[in-house]
Amino acid sequence: AQSVAQPEDQVNVAEGNPLTVKCTYSVSGNPYLFWYVQYPNRGLQFLLKYITGDNLVKGSYGFEAEFNKSQTSFHLKKPSALVSDSALYFCALMNRDDKIIFGKGTRLHILP
Amino acid sequence: DAGVIQSPRHEVTEMGQEVTLRCKPISGHNSLFWYRQTMMRGLELLIYFNNNVPIDDSGMPEDRFSAKMPNASFSTLKIQPSEPRDSAVYFCASSLSGSSYNEQFFGPGTRLTVL
Repeated sequence: AQSVAQPEDQVNVAEGNPLTVKCTYSVSGNPYLFWYVQYPNRGLQFLLKYITGDNLVKGSYGFEAEFNKSQTSFHLKKPSALVSDSALYFCALMNRDDKIIFGKGTRLHILP
Repeated sequence: DAGVIQSPRHEVTEMGQEVTLRCKPISGHNSLFWYRQTMMRGLELLIYFNNNVPIDDSGMPEDRFSAKMPNASFSTLKIQPSEPRDSAVYFCASSLSGSSYNEQFFGPGTRLTVL
């Protein structure tokens, strides 16, 4: 069965520090992985995706994610956090039917 | 493009009433998804359509929920009769499906409160 897990409900980071939001997955076959962000009272917004190729994927707002096949992980990272990065972040896995399985979300708090 | 459009943005109704949520996907997209988000259950996929045809409705909670997509530019999610436990934010999303594993674009959501 396919699944995606976000082990942390909340992550707190000081402004200017690097941030990491963790995601692990389970899938038979090739993984197609996504990160989305949700700001308060808004719908989810696409940040980046990994389909194939380079393991380091760059996305919107300075975010990047590293695909690690041996660890079945797809952690979201940013070198220097901004207060405006505070939001709810979702990792997601797509199956062959274009159906996306979302993680439960990680709330990121950037402390000024 | 205006993005995915949902209406109404907020809906307050009484238990037992019928509720209809509406969605206009991005022009040219051929897949449409309805999600429900609550604090307790997170983000749940209710149903999705491809080329106006329902492909997977296994997430629809019960027979009180129904969804239609009469054409490529419009979809509805109906709850009849509504119950307090249906209170949630309902999102519609669309994508261009195929072999490219394209991302979904979400609407702003409809916040439903059933009293």
